[in-house]
Amino acid sequence: AQSVTQLDSHVSVSEGTPVLLRCNYSSSYSPSLFWYVQHPNKGLQLLLKYTSAATLVKGINGFEAEFKKSETSFHLTKPSAHMSDAAEYFCVSISGGYNKLIFGAGTRLAVHP
Amino acid sequence: SAVISQKPSRDICQRGTSLTIQCQVDSQVTMMFWYRQQPGQSLTLIATANQGSEATYESGFVIDKFPISRPNLTFSTLTVSNMSPEDSSIYLCSVRVGTGGYNEQFFGPGTRLTVL
Repeated sequence: AQSVTQLDSHVSVSEGTPVLLRCNYSSSYSPSLFWYVQHPNKGLQLLLKYTSAATLVKGINGFEAEFKKSETSFHLTKPSAHMSDAAEYFCVSISGGYNKLIFGAGTRLAVHP
Repeated sequence: SAVISQKPSRDICQRGTSLTIQCQVDSQVTMMFWYRQQPGQSLTLIATANQGSEATYESGFVIDKFPISRPNLTFSTLTVSNMSPEDSSIYLCSVRVGTGGYNEQFFGPGTRLTVL
């Protein structure tokens, strides 16, 4: 069965330092993968998506993610964290037939001054 | 894209009562979804509500507890029936738009429900 594992439930960084949020997937075929962000008391916003085109995907707000099939990973990175990046981040895959989104458990990112 | 609004944004309800959550989309969409996000948890799909057919519920969710209406391509309701404190969650409406392959999925702001 398809699944998504976010390796860290909480990540804390200082403002201006790099961000790394880790995600591993399991799938019997080439998946479609996404990162969503949820700010407090707000809905989910799509950061970026991978759909079998370029393996390095650039998203909004300076975030990017690299699809690595050999490692079954889709880690989210940003070179320099901003205070406004503090939020919950979800790694998501989609089941066969483009039917359902499969959510990871989420990673809460804290950014300190 | 799609802009989704939900009503109410939050509510506090008594045990045993029911609450109907409304979801309005600014464009016509075929595929609409309802999710639950329990405190500190990820999102769980409750059901898929496509216009013109009955909602399809995921394992662990039943129509008697979470009846859904989908009267047209821009609107849906989810009712949480006979509520208990365990139903305290954020309920999110979501739609999928676009043609061909994977289409982007958009989410509403959510309805924060507290059951006393």
